Amino acid sequence: EAQVTQNPRYLITVTGKKLTVTCSQNMNHEYMSWYRQDPGLGLRQIYYSMNVEVTDKGDVPEGYKVSRKEKRNFPLILESPSPNQTSLYFCASSRIGEPQHFGDGTRLSIL
Amino acid sequence: GEDVEQSLFLSVREGDSSVINCTYTDSSSTYLYWYKQEPGAGLQLLTYIFSNMDMKQDQRLTVLLNKKDKHLSLRIADTQTGDSAIYFCAVGQGRGSTLGRLYFGRGTQLTVWP
Repeated sequence: EAQVTQNPRYLITVTGKKLTVTCSQNMNHEYMSWYRQDPGLGLRQIYYSMNVEVTDKGDVPEGYKVSRKEKRNFPLILESPSPNQTSLYFCASSRIGEPQHFGDGTRLSIL
Repeated sequence: GEDVEQSLFLSVREGDSSVINCTYTDSSSTYLYWYKQEPGAGLQLLTYIFSNMDMKQDQRLTVLLNKKDKHLSLRIADTQTGDSAIYFCAVGQGRGSTLGRLYFGRGTQLTVWP
């Protein structure tokens, strides 16, 4: 089954404790992206990647890192999480120019 | 970047038609999507239209694109309570420095009353 898988689905952690949210897709898509969703703000893009070893900043990249060492994986790294990064995060993938497929989301709470 | 605007709320009675509107700013936008998000779930692609089209119909869904006004709408015929969700308009470009990027509106909460 074609899917985008994020882990964990839920995480409560404390300020400053490094965390990684994994994202994996099994559709051989070139394009992968991370978004955060906050009430009343819709989805805002954090980082995206057009292919292996190619990553670019989206609209809200501050405080986040990504890597794309393999085509199927695109982890999101919070080196020193802060409360303003409490949010619902979505990973997505697609062939370039085609509709994006979304994961089920990761709800992060930073205390 | 691109600014994508949607009204935040829409309420309709079951059986009526719903129309969700979206405006965008970049006339070079190539791909225009509608996504649906049910409570606690991810985003599900509903339908999409390319900028060289004016209309697309898919069962109860009709998408209209007015390129001159940079206006996109989603019409849901015979709206059901199961259609209650947040609907996102998303716009992307097919070339240039923003190739592959997708810009989202803030979402329209559709509530369907029985």
